[in-house]
Amino acid sequence: SAVISQKPSRDICQRGTSLTIQCQVDSQVTMMFWYRQQPGQSLTLIATANQGSEATYESGFVIDKFPISRPNLTFSTLTVSNMSPEDSSIYLCSVDSAESSYNEQFFGPGTRLTVL
Amino acid sequence: AQSVTQPDIHITVSEGASLELRCNYSYGATPYLFWYVQSPGQGLQLLLKYFSGDTLVQGIKGFEAEFKRSQSSFNLRKPSVHWSDAAEYFCAVGAGGANNLFFGTGTRLTVIP
Repeated sequence: SAVISQKPSRDICQRGTSLTIQCQVDSQVTMMFWYRQQPGQSLTLIATANQGSEATYESGFVIDKFPISRPNLTFSTLTVSNMSPEDSSIYLCSVDSAESSYNEQFFGPGTRLTVL
Repeated sequence: AQSVTQPDIHITVSEGASLELRCNYSYGATPYLFWYVQSPGQGLQLLLKYFSGDTLVQGIKGFEAEFKRSQSSFNLRKPSVHWSDAAEYFCAVGAGGANNLFFGTGTRLTVIP
C-alpha cells in the first residue's frame, strides 16, 4: 500500500485567511482525492485530482473556495480559501490503489484545521 | 445512487467480548465494500475489503466481515475485542468506474475494562 503524508498535521487559522495543505505519496498514483470530515461527521469527497487536468469537484464544492493543484503523480495540494469557522474540519488526502481497480483507497493522516 | 447506513452511532463493549458493527448499503449492482478504522487523531486505515468471491472476508487486527447480498449488509465482527480497538469505524461502498467511495456516518466503539 502507498505511504501518504500530509502537511501540516494541524493548524489554527484566522477567519478570512487561506491555508494550503500538502499531500505527498511515496509512489506514483493515478488519482488523488480530497475529503472533508467535519466534527463528528463522516467523510465527504471534495474533489478528485488527476495529474495534468483540472480537478473534478463534487456538488457543493467550488474551485474558488477549494483550489487544488496536481503538478505530478506523487503530489497534490488543497487550499482552503477565505476561511470561516464552518471550515473547521479534518481534511484528508487519499490515493487509489495501483493494485486494484475496485475503488480501494489509502488515506493520509489528515490535517486538522481550526478556524477562529 | 449509492448510500451507506451505519445504524449504531456508538457502541460500548467490554474487553474480551465479541463485537458486531452493522453496515447496510444501497447500490444497484455488486458493490465493492470496505471497512476503515480511524483512531483518535489519525487518518483512516483499511481493515478489510470485499470485491467478489467468498462472502466472508478476513482483515487485519482479527476482524472479519460478511457480505450478505439478500440483506444488503456487510457487518464487521471480531470475536474478542481489545482495548486498542477503541476507535471510529467507517463502512464504505465503491461504485466501480466512478472511482469514488461513499462512507457511512461511522460507529464509535468504546471498550471498557
